[in-house]
Amino acid sequence: KAGVTQTPRYLIKTRGQQVTLSCSPISGHRSVSWYQQTPGQGLQFLFEYFSETQRNKGNFPGRFSGRQFSNSRSEMNVSTLELGDSALYLCASVFGGGAYNEQFFGPGTRLTVL
Amino acid sequence: AQKVTQAQTEISVVEKEDVTLDCVYETRDTTYYLFWYKQPPSGELVFLIRRNSFDEQNEISGRYSWNFQKSTSSFNFTITASQVVDSAVYFCALSEAGAAGNKLTFGGGTRVLVKP
Repeated sequence: KAGVTQTPRYLIKTRGQQVTLSCSPISGHRSVSWYQQTPGQGLQFLFEYFSETQRNKGNFPGRFSGRQFSNSRSEMNVSTLELGDSALYLCASVFGGGAYNEQFFGPGTRLTVL
Repeated sequence: AQKVTQAQTEISVVEKEDVTLDCVYETRDTTYYLFWYKQPPSGELVFLIRRNSFDEQNEISGRYSWNFQKSTSSFNFTITASQVVDSAVYFCALSEAGAAGNKLTFGGGTRVLVKP
């Protein structure tokens, strides 16, 4: 079974631009979560989607948004990029909707904002 | 609010030594789940173990073992007879049954360096 895939793997943008990251979950998984990892703040939860509905959102500004498609693939968008948005963005997929399920992570997208 | 603390930022050991990683958590939920994940240099988080709040039985799985104590809100993880391939950052994480959706709250991570 193929794992979680994220595209692109690396991205360089300049301040003020916007960016879209993509995540394809494991086949059959309906939940996709996004996390931001930075040296200063560590791993922080961005949002989670289940069957195209956002069920939870972390403490991030409105510049961070996401969506999920009917095939469970998910995208996250960051508008008006700031230097502090430079991070590793990790996507995770889960088979079910419960908190007990382990999350399977993708390799991440490393975003650099110049 | 939920919180996970990993006081050890970095541990360095020589191969075959045991390594114990500490994790302390805070939550108001009575039902919750604790996880350990490993992040090798490649960056991908790998699930290691899970424990629910109602099961304090400590277990061993291969070279991994864990010690869950609700009385002290701790969920410690031990690697026995460490190997160079165990070098990675290890994260403790908490998931609350009362929270909407699948949300993990992570600790700051502990970097483990196993020297040959």
